[in-house]
This record gives sequence, structure tokens and C-alpha cells, in this order.
Amino acid sequence: KAGVTQTPRYLIKTRGQQVTLSCSPISGHRSVSWYQQTPGQGLQFLFEYFSETQRNKGNFPGRFSGRQFSNSRSEMNVSTLELGDSALYLCASSLTGQPNTEAFFGQGTRLTVV
Amino acid sequence: QQQVKQSPQSLIVQKGGISIINCAYENTAFDYFPWYQQFPGKGPALLIAIRPDVSEKKEGRFTISFNKSAKQFSLHIMDSQPGDSATYFCAALGYDYKLSFGAGTTVTVRA
Repeated sequence: KAGVTQTPRYLIKTRGQQVTLSCSPISGHRSVSWYQQTPGQGLQFLFEYFSETQRNKGNFPGRFSGRQFSNSRSEMNVSTLELGDSALYLCASSLTGQPNTEAFFGQGTRLTVV
Repeated sequence: QQQVKQSPQSLIVQKGGISIINCAYENTAFDYFPWYQQFPGKGPALLIAIRPDVSEKKEGRFTISFNKSAKQFSLHIMDSQPGDSATYFCAALGYDYKLSFGAGTTVTVRA
């Protein structure tokens, strides 16, 4: 069974640009969550989607957005990139997103903003 | 504000020893407590998880102990091996679909 796939693995962008990251969940999983990981702030929740609906959103500015498609694949977009957006962006998938199911992470996309 | 507090920040253990990582939480709405292991350059990998109606869960060399009244849980790594050297995160999940993570513990196992 294939795991969670995130593309691309690495990205280098310039301040002010925008970026789109992609996540393909484990087959059959309908919940997809996104997290930002930095050395200073640790793992922080961005948002969660289930059946194309955003059910929760973390405390990030509106420059961070996401969506989920009917096949459960998800994308997140960051507009007007800032240096502080440099981080490892992780996607996790689970069957339902609720405490009765396990969440599995992808390898992440390493975003560097210069 | 960190909803899950994790300690220690780092620990060094000899091969064959026991590594113990502790976590505490305040939010009684949390209903699922997973532990993740992360190697450099990789995403977190689910190690073991527990529900609050269970006081202990063991999988191989890894054991979670859970104290619901104290709102604390811990990970014990028995017979620690050099391959266990990684960063470990405790986490908690409620019905808001959001995993709240501890700050992480870097474990170094000396051969």
C-alpha cells in the first residue's frame, strides 16, 4: 500500500512569489491535514480537509490556503512568500481525521524562501 | 501556547538502556495520543498510539503509559538501540481534527 506522497520534495522560491504544494493521501483516506515544521516553532497545524471541506484551520495568515479534490488529493498554496515561510511542510492523511483513526505523514516538502 | 508539554528536550542513553520521554496536556477534550518518530530529512512516522481508556500499551520495545487523572503520558523505549536515535514527538488529537504536538525530544543512543 503506497504511503502519503508529497511533491515536490524541495523548492526554492524568492520573496513575494507564490507556491503550490501537493499531497496524495493513502488510498481510501479522506482526511488530509497540513502542518508546518520549523526549528523554532515545531510542528504547527495549518488546516484539515475532509470530503473537499475545510473543517479546521490553524492560526496562520490568509496567505496560506488549501483545497481538497474529489479524489482526496490536496494542495496548499502560499502567496506573497516571506523569508519566515521557509519550513518543512508536512501532509498527513487518515481515514476520518477523528481520534479513532491513525494519521500518517508524508516526507514533506522543504521550502526555502530567499 | 503549547497544548502538549514534552520533556526532556534531549537525552542520551547507552545501548541497551531505557529511554523515557514524558508529556503532559491540559485539554480534556483530547481523545487520542500518538507518538511519532522522526529521522533527519524525513516526515514523522507513527510509532504507537493510545486512547485514554487504556493505561498502558506495548508494541515491541515501545511502551506508552497513560495517566488520565494526572493528564500525563510517557513513552518508554526498552533495550535502546543506535537505530532508535531520532527525534520523538508526542501528540494529542481531539474532535477538532487537529494534532497538537509536543516540542520533541532528541534521543541519542550511544553504542
